[in-house]
Amino acid sequence: DIVMTQSPSSLAVSAGETVTINCKSSQSLLYSGNQKNYLAWYQQKPGQSPKLLIYWASTRQSGVPDRFIGSGSGTDFTLTISSVQAEDLAIYYCQQYYDTPYTFGAGTKLELK
Amino acid sequence: EVKLVESGGGLVQPGRSLKLSCAASGFSFNDYWMGWVRQAPGKGLEWIGEINQDSSTINYTPSLKDKFTISRDNAQNTLYLQMSKLGSEDTAIYYCARDYGAWGQGVMVTVSS
Repeated sequence: DIVMTQSPSSLAVSAGETVTINCKSSQSLLYSGNQKNYLAWYQQKPGQSPKLLIYWASTRQSGVPDRFIGSGSGTDFTLTISSVQAEDLAIYYCQQYYDTPYTFGAGTKLELK
Repeated sequence: EVKLVESGGGLVQPGRSLKLSCAASGFSFNDYWMGWVRQAPGKGLEWIGEINQDSSTINYTPSLKDKFTISRDNAQNTLYLQMSKLGSEDTAIYYCARDYGAWGQGVMVTVSS
């Protein structure tokens, strides 16, 4: 199985700050046939189901604010949230869909400082 | 509007079976891969498996392959998860998802005597 390692596990921020969440995979998620990275990011707020934010490592899902930016390639990926707002407080998960089983990272909890 | 509604959860005794359903509406169900993801209380997301449009390909996370069976009925726009030999470790919220871009609200399964 591909192991997904997220860091940090939690992050305390103030509104307006820029935050970076890291995700590292145990093997490359870049498929040479199409040059796409099979990596997604999700946001989960308390009591809610996960919401897809980013797919193909950097493509924002429709309706997701442009302050959410996904980057990286191969085995190292980053979710950057610029100018964090109170509504962004949630747990963020990365997931690889390069190979089954499609594994998730353990999550990063974004909290208010 | 895309809608996914899980049902069939509840309290079940260890060793028993349970079948979850996911009713889909608002999109052409037979055009999409569908999947199941679960989340134990206070824990992260765990991918269970997925099924393709005509049920010819079904992928599972290896540790659950002998216990869980995913199926679908395209005529009824419904996805299923048959769970057997349930143990306390299977206590979780179970989510169905369409291509991981749309998720249901989840259904709670509690395994306890």
